[in-house]
Amino acid sequence: DAGVIQSPRHEVTEMGQEVTLRCKPISGHNSLFWYRQTMMRGLELLIYFNNNVPIDDSGMPEDRFSAKMPNASFSTLKIQPSEPRDSAVYFCASTRTVNEQFFGPGTRLTVL
Amino acid sequence: GENVEQHPSTLSVQEGDSAVIKCTYSDSASNYFPWYKQELGKRPQLIIDIRSNVGEKKDQRIAVTLNKTAKHFSLHITETQPEDSAVYFCGSGGGADGLTFGKGTHLIIQP
Repeated sequence: DAGVIQSPRHEVTEMGQEVTLRCKPISGHNSLFWYRQTMMRGLELLIYFNNNVPIDDSGMPEDRFSAKMPNASFSTLKIQPSEPRDSAVYFCASTRTVNEQFFGPGTRLTVL
Repeated sequence: GENVEQHPSTLSVQEGDSAVIKCTYSDSASNYFPWYKQELGKRPQLIIDIRSNVGEKKDQRIAVTLNKTAKHFSLHITETQPEDSAVYFCGSGGGADGLTFGKGTHLIIQP
């Protein structure tokens, strides 16, 4: 298995632009998580899905952020419009129920 | 929501010595406590985890202890080596639920 796949690996955009981050979980995993990592705030859980259904989105910072999981093998995290304070590394992770979360390589987002 | 405190934020030890990192959590319903290691520019990777029905778990040079009454758990690394240098995160959660992480400990192994 290739592990959790994220794209793009790096994204540089200008303030106000729409950003879409993509994640493919490990095949057979039924839970998917989006995290954001910054020096100041550490690793923060944004949202997670069980069986493609959003369970808890209380970590999503504001309405500019949205996430979808249209099927078991794909999820997106969208920021519209993006702001400089959104600059961070965004990780996607997946797991089978009650087991280790496997992290993807992350997307480093820079908003100018 | 869950709150996880992790200490220290930076820990420097001599190669061969032991390192201990401590975490406390607030949600008494939490039952899963993993530790992740993150090397510079890499993804977090699980190194050991413990569930609430166990007080201690060992895997070669690393061990984790859990005190559910006091709501704290610790990571112990013995005979530290240069490759142990990294940032370590503790997590707390309910298994398949999202994890709440501590702010991380930067472990530096001095040669």
